[in-house]
Amino acid sequence: GAVVSQHPSRVICKSGTSVKIECRSLDFQATTMFWYRQFPKQSLMLMATSNEGSKATYEQGVEKDKFLINHASLTLSTLTVTSAHPEDSSFYICSASETVLPAQHFGDGTRLSIL
Amino acid sequence: SQQGEEDPQALSIQEGENATMNCSYKTSINNLQWYRQNSGRGLVHLILIRSNEREKHSGRLRVTLDTSKKSSSLLITASRAADTASYFCATDDTNQGGKLIFGQGTELSVKP
Repeated sequence: GAVVSQHPSRVICKSGTSVKIECRSLDFQATTMFWYRQFPKQSLMLMATSNEGSKATYEQGVEKDKFLINHASLTLSTLTVTSAHPEDSSFYICSASETVLPAQHFGDGTRLSIL
Repeated sequence: SQQGEEDPQALSIQEGENATMNCSYKTSINNLQWYRQNSGRGLVHLILIRSNEREKHSGRLRVTLDTSKKSSSLLITASRAADTASYFCATDDTNQGGKLIFGQGTELSVKP
């Protein structure tokens, strides 16, 4: 089956640090990748849709200068949380979809803790 | 925006029993999908049902879709302790360019 690798799985860092999260599709080409944020005991909130070679589309209320997304190849998208603060602490999950199938394949998530 | 509402929010059953989770949505859809999430992990795709389908089976999973009521149900038969997880429905909104809109989820606990 389609595998999506997300790295790192956990990050603990000081306030003001920028953190980069990688999302890779290992055995398929992902023209579209999605970035979600999930708070404890809650559902996934879509942050942005990332298409290879073009600018990401951000959901309403998501600061694009705060959450930088790069989708430079068909197998890699990155999310950079710039100048992270404690309120950015959350579980971030990426997913990728193949061109034909509507199902999304998810990474294992990154737990970000800002002290 | 989150359009899916699921009930119950939490469900606790004994091993061997069946578990039924329901999902409602608000807009027109291309398809509806169910995902499973183990604690602290990503989501795993379980099953997809298209808007022109009414029922679909996959192993111990049975999904129904009623587009007139804008609702779906997921039935897990003969549950196992390993089925313990959160289950989310997600709709592929026809007006949202293929983005998935997730429900609030049902936290299922299967006791051995």
